[in-house]
Amino acid sequence: DAGVIQSPRHEVTEMGQEVTLRCKPISGHDYLFWYRQTMMRGLELLIYFNNNVPIDDSGMPEDRFSAKMPNASFSTLKIQPSEPRDSAVYFCASKTGASRGYTFGSGTRLTVV
Amino acid sequence: EDQVTQSPEALRLQEGESSSLNCSYTVSGLRGLFWYRQDPGKGPEFLFTLYSAGEEKEKERLKATLTKKESFLHITAPKPEDSATYLCAVQGVQGAQKLVFGQGTRLTINP
Repeated sequence: DAGVIQSPRHEVTEMGQEVTLRCKPISGHDYLFWYRQTMMRGLELLIYFNNNVPIDDSGMPEDRFSAKMPNASFSTLKIQPSEPRDSAVYFCASKTGASRGYTFGSGTRLTVV
Repeated sequence: EDQVTQSPEALRLQEGESSSLNCSYTVSGLRGLFWYRQDPGKGPEFLFTLYSAGEEKEKERLKATLTKKESFLHITAPKPEDSATYLCAVQGVQGAQKLVFGQGTRLTINP
């Protein structure tokens, strides 16, 4: 079991550029979550999917953020255009319907300069 | 809106010095309360789920307890490798699969 795999681990980009974060959930997990972690706000849920369908995107900060899950083994979180206040660690997590706890990936540290 | 408050923000202990971390919560119908451990540069790692008041779970030097308003993570005779940030989260009935996290307690165990 390779766990939840996120890429890249680190991303540094200039303000205004498009950023794409990637996630491969654990095989067989039918829920996928995107969280953002900052010192000020802690861990915040951005969006989650069930069987590749977005269920709750109320945490997506604004239209600059979008997320897709084209199949059961891949999801992306895109920011366009990026701003310095988007700098944070972005985590992907997955779970099965029967389990209660999530399994988190190692995160992508995004820095927008 | 579901809310979680953890205290203290940071705690420094000597090796072998037992203590407790607090997690206070408000939720519209508790489906589960979760404890995670997070090491620097890594994602949170699942420790425990508690479902109802009075329940207790143990793992090595850690024991989690739950009341109707709060949870405690007791650490007994800690070792330096227990140093980490400990996160508490709740899953409420209205939030479906959503977990709402507290800000965490940063625990440091000095040898």
